[in-house]
Amino acid sequence: IAGITQAPTSQILAAGRRMTLRCTQDMRHNAMYWYRQDLGLGLRLIHYSNTAGTTGKGEVPDGYSVSRANTDDFPLTLASAVPSQTSVYFCASSYSTSEPYEQYFGPGTRLTVT
Amino acid sequence: GQNIDQPTEMTATEGAIVQINCTYQTSGFNGLFWYQQHAGEAPTFLSYNVLDGLEEKGRFSSFLSRSKGYSYLLLKELQMKDSASYLCAVMDSNYQLIWGAGTKLIIKP
Repeated sequence: IAGITQAPTSQILAAGRRMTLRCTQDMRHNAMYWYRQDLGLGLRLIHYSNTAGTTGKGEVPDGYSVSRANTDDFPLTLASAVPSQTSVYFCASSYSTSEPYEQYFGPGTRLTVT
Repeated sequence: GQNIDQPTEMTATEGAIVQINCTYQTSGFNGLFWYQQHAGEAPTFLSYNVLDGLEEKGRFSSFLSRSKGYSYLLLKELQMKDSASYLCAVMDSNYQLIWGAGTKLIIKP
């Protein structure tokens, strides 16, 4: 693995179903982030984690949950998907959240909720 | 509130120069980032400015004026591969990135 990987690449999901998007990084970065990207809007932060064992809410956290059991993995769960959660989801990481380090992005997961 | 504004779309000619502007109003400022995003791909880092002035990196340069809440990305000697969206993002006082909606740059031969 080099950088950040996400799975699945794309998914069509029925409304009401539970779904976990996976994200793994091998850069030993402390901070990780989940964004959604919708046409005409900027990237919006869903949840973030400053370090393993801690998580925080971003701009649009409702309907999503995260966990950070170790440094490498940061899964995003949709407990009961709704059509408004149709989006492209990007996972990102950076060395730290206490300095202005650049963020590195995974390839994204395109999710369609029907 | 927090706001980042950049043009939705720009068109330029191969070999020419284009300037993409970004204005911002945020709670705190810890620097401004520019990212490039090709269609269907992830954003990739281009530049970071925290002090006023121009930062040059090859064909790409980025300028910042903190007093005016303004930045621009300058792309020289445009190539077809520069067709992409360019995202402006400001790092706020909590070291979180606030993103603009992006500028789609179309390069014509």
